[in-house]
Amino acid sequence: DAGVTQSPTHLIKTRGQQVTLRCSPKSGHDTVSWYQQALGQGPQFIFQYYEEEERQRGNFPDRFSGHQFPNYSSELNVNALLLGDSALYLCASSSWGGTEAFFGQGTRLTVV
Amino acid sequence: QKEVEQDPGPLSVPEGAIVSLNCTYSNSAFQYFMWYRQYSRKGPELLMYTYSSGNKEDGRFTAQVDKSSKYISLFIRDSQPSDSATYLCAMSVGNTDKLIFGTGTRLQVFP
Repeated sequence: DAGVTQSPTHLIKTRGQQVTLRCSPKSGHDTVSWYQQALGQGPQFIFQYYEEEERQRGNFPDRFSGHQFPNYSSELNVNALLLGDSALYLCASSSWGGTEAFFGQGTRLTVV
Repeated sequence: QKEVEQDPGPLSVPEGAIVSLNCTYSNSAFQYFMWYRQYSRKGPELLMYTYSSGNKEDGRFTAQVDKSSKYISLFIRDSQPSDSATYLCAMSVGNTDKLIFGTGTRLQVFP
């Protein structure tokens, strides 16, 4: 079991650019959630996908968007990058109706 | 006021000590409580999961939930240097709901 896998591991982007992060959930899981973790802070919920639809959304601007594919994998897109978007982006997978969420190793995004 | 409060530490203890980590919360609707361990530059790893009030034990780890006081704890017995990490508490209202995290407590266990 490969667990939750995220790509890429690290990424450096320039202000104003767009970025796409990818996540493959744990085998048997159908729900993917994305979190942003700033340095020294706990993860903040961005949104959750199930059955290819956004089910819940946290307090993040529309620049943050996502997608879930039929194989349950997911993408997080961020447009018009700001310096403040620099953070560790975490993907968590779970089973719909279950509570235990398992995280990937994260993608560290640096905006310069 | 944050929904979940957690002392950021750092907490430094000698090997073999009993460690107590705590979180308080303000939302009485929370029913699901979790503890995650996060090593530097890694993703959080689920350690313990508890539903509603009570205790749960797993090896050297014990999780306690006191909903009347809106207070949760994680105890680590016989702490080891490999336990050195940041410990995050997390909670949710429903079983599929978003997780609300504390800021994390950095623990250092020295030999």
